[in-house]
Amino acid sequence: QVQLVESGGGLVKPGGSLRLSCAASTFTFSDHYMSWVRQAPGKGLEWVSYISSSGDTIFYADSVKGRFTISRDNAKNSLYFQMNSLRAEDTAVYYCARGYRSSFAAFDLWGQGTMVTVSS
Amino acid sequence: QSALTQPRSVSGSPGQSVTISCTGTSSDVGGYNYVSWYQQHPGKAPRLMVYDVTERPSGVPDRFSGSKSGNTASLTISGLQAEDEADYYCCSYAGSYTWVFGGGTKLTVL
Repeated sequence: QVQLVESGGGLVKPGGSLRLSCAASTFTFSDHYMSWVRQAPGKGLEWVSYISSSGDTIFYADSVKGRFTISRDNAKNSLYFQMNSLRAEDTAVYYCARGYRSSFAAFDLWGQGTMVTVSS
Repeated sequence: QSALTQPRSVSGSPGQSVTISCTGTSSDVGGYNYVSWYQQHPGKAPRLMVYDVTERPSGVPDRFSGSKSGNTASLTISGLQAEDEADYYCCSYAGSYTWVFGGGTKLTVL
């Protein structure tokens, strides 16, 4: 069915790195802009990064700029998130979210999320 | 990129209507007609309920409606049902391919 499946989360020490992946299935991945959105335990949603459908336009929230890198491989129907210099405040469930083709700025399909815990 | 302001909680009885507000600034809510609303049940992924201030994706009941005035957007749920009990988040485009979410509102169906 149409879905996004995240993977790559886990426990990492402060200053460490993780690479998240998001596999898309049963839709034309290359037609959609994508974002990563995170949710700290018991907290609200926070948008963190955007990538255009072709991958040539990328933006980040100030909270992750310079530390995290978003990328995509349309041939593999996959989205990635390289997370470096991790901090305790990066602890969250990370969701990949599909851009809604009927809107310039909404997300109509979300993965189940992958948990990232930054702790010593 | 300050979070949009939502009430922490709202409540209503089955069949009633409730409205959730979402206040931002002229740099986000007031500056663009790109406000969306998401429903999130505990332990689940968010679900898009309203986009572009007033539009509903297919499959979303017409009991859910959105509006905006100035820097404040609103989501109204009419004919409340037990399954509407969830957290609701507003989200606004904030320019330069960035977005900002609200802090979330917990809806309780009494």
